[in-house]
Amino acid sequence: DTAVSQTPKYLVTQMGNDKSIKCEQNLGHDTMYWYKQDSKKFLKIMFSYNNKELIINETVPNRFSPKSPDKAHLNLHINSLELGDSAVYFCASSLMTGQGANVLTFGAGSRLTVL
Amino acid sequence: DQQVKQNSPSLSVQEGRISILNCDYTNSMFDYFLWYKKYPAEGPTFLISISSIKDKNEDGRFTVFLNKSAKHLSLHIVPSQPGDSAVYFCAASGLYNFNKFYFGSGTKLNVKP
Repeated sequence: DTAVSQTPKYLVTQMGNDKSIKCEQNLGHDTMYWYKQDSKKFLKIMFSYNNKELIINETVPNRFSPKSPDKAHLNLHINSLELGDSAVYFCASSLMTGQGANVLTFGAGSRLTVL
Repeated sequence: DQQVKQNSPSLSVQEGRISILNCDYTNSMFDYFLWYKKYPAEGPTFLISISSIKDKNEDGRFTVFLNKSAKHLSLHIVPSQPGDSAVYFCAASGLYNFNKFYFGSGTKLNVKP
């Protein structure tokens, strides 16, 4: 009964390809996120959706396009992959209850390697 | 420009002793802080949080201290156990954008039996 599940867990692909990572949560949360963990190990937010509406859109190349078909799913599509896109991508979800109570639940991560 | 910093990439502690993990932040608008624990090949899991109206929050063996004037927080684990060996991330968010969390780069804790 995985709370936040991401697929695939590992993804190896060539530069220039297009790939997608899928995320699903069964916690009944209304907000979902994509975070990127770079080579320096920082977790940086990329996007956040609340009830299918984009609420956070960080400075991310427009080759990255999130899609939320419903509040339980948030997918990440990446076009024209570059070497620098190699990272671990984490999906997370939370219930937007206000400041001081918001806790993220993370998926296990998807390791993307671009050759 | 990293607004949350964990300057110690690793820490090694003997079982039964205290582990102290430190975190500094630069944004004075941050008012909610969390610690996450991460095992290899898993996502971070929530450990403990603290609001800026407090300076201490305790949950079992875990205590988080917040020093707002120094923009510093620390996580104390007493007593440390081998199962505590993991990477610990601190995170912060601000009052007007509470869904946007800023994370540090993590500290890898090794608790030796």
